[in-house]
Amino acid sequence: EDQVTQSPEALRLQEGESSSLNCSYTVSGLRGLFWYRQDPGKGPEFLFTLYSAGEEKEKERLKATLTKKESFLHITAPKPEDSATYLCAARRGGSNYKLTFGKGTLLTVNP
Amino acid sequence: AAGVIQSPRHLIKEKRETATLKCYPIPRHDTVYWYQQGPGQDPQFLISFYEKMQSDKGSIPDRFSAQQFSDYHSELNMSSLELGDSALYFCASSLQGGAYEQYFGPGTRLTVT
Repeated sequence: EDQVTQSPEALRLQEGESSSLNCSYTVSGLRGLFWYRQDPGKGPEFLFTLYSAGEEKEKERLKATLTKKESFLHITAPKPEDSATYLCAARRGGSNYKLTFGKGTLLTVNP
Repeated sequence: AAGVIQSPRHLIKEKRETATLKCYPIPRHDTVYWYQQGPGQDPQFLISFYEKMQSDKGSIPDRFSAQQFSDYHSELNMSSLELGDSALYFCASSLQGGAYEQYFGPGTRLTVT
């Protein structure tokens, strides 16, 4: 069974204090590791897709990396508006289209 | 840019009633997915459609059914509603049968009383 585990469950940072969120996965024939941001009561907002180990993608203060067993979302000099739940999701190979989500990391950035 | 549209945004039903949720994918997207998210939970996959055919099925109760129409919009029909069905229901869409990333709609908040 596919499993996606995120840590920590919650993270509180001061503005400007860089950190990383972890996503470990057990998925047969990974065909995409996805990061989403979700604000309360809203739909997940797509951030990144990573397909192969060693791949990195960046967007503003966020950088996502992928290894064969885990992915990291690095947040550099975060701002209060970066506060949200960050979800990691994996898609397996073959004809399955569904995403298996982790339970998310609730990030709070204090000014 | 156009996004996924879901309607209604909020729905209140009583136990044993039926509900229909609608989803309009991003233009040119041919694949639609439905997810259920309970309070404090991660989204759980229900069902997906590619080119109007069911492409994958997750933990969708037998009381629920869904379809994708010729204009690619999708409807999730829920019958004999139970209190435990109260949740956020998200629709997502993607290109080419899921080969690319899924974009989520704003969700429908269903409350069953």
